[in-house]
Amino acid sequence: SQQGEEDPQALSIQEGENATMNCSYKTSINNLQWYRQNSGRGLVHLILIRSNEREKHSGRLRVTLDTSKKSSSLLITASRAADTASYFCATDAYSDMRFGAGTRLTVKP
Amino acid sequence: GAGVSQSPSNKVTEKGKDVELRCDPISGHTALYWYRQSLGQGLEFLIYFQGNSAPDKSGLPSDRFSAERTGGSVSTLTIQRTQQEDSAVYLCASSMRQGARTEAFFGQGTRLTVV
Repeated sequence: SQQGEEDPQALSIQEGENATMNCSYKTSINNLQWYRQNSGRGLVHLILIRSNEREKHSGRLRVTLDTSKKSSSLLITASRAADTASYFCATDAYSDMRFGAGTRLTVKP
Repeated sequence: GAGVSQSPSNKVTEKGKDVELRCDPISGHTALYWYRQSLGQGLEFLIYFQGNSAPDKSGLPSDRFSAERTGGSVSTLTIQRTQQEDSAVYLCASSMRQGARTEAFFGQGTRLTVV
């Protein structure tokens, strides 16, 4: 079973534009995390948002959480070519940690 | 160590051979996960270890796959009688607490190619 499903599957934007990707999940959670993966190797943790938080910022990243809709969004502002990567969400709905198929973001210079 | 270490980085093996992939988690992390990722795909959960509890093996695709974690630290993923469809990047991650309650740290993976 998947804890989170990201959409869109792929997103292509120009450098300087904002990128928004979404994550939906099915059960109650205590927290949700976003990760980035470059070049098919290890994932890197970006941000964790707790169920009692509605919005969280980290640099150019803005994450929102709507527990009533069971969804989260990740916004990357002023995108750069280096932001090109796959982005995944994960929740603590289960004892393990599972990921969706991710959103593949391409930022064109 | 400073992070999660996986070895080897790359492994090419002949079909039918057995392979062992190693993961050294961050010291003190009780949770350890193995995932498989085929080219252009998402992460497929394989197995999860949490402390001294019985591992969650529900993601292992066949009985050719097995994993162990010795002393609550190093883990080895073994694939017996490898098949071409086993070709993928195998990722290991560890975290201080179970599930996604805290940040997970990933190794750089082992790229397995079965020829």
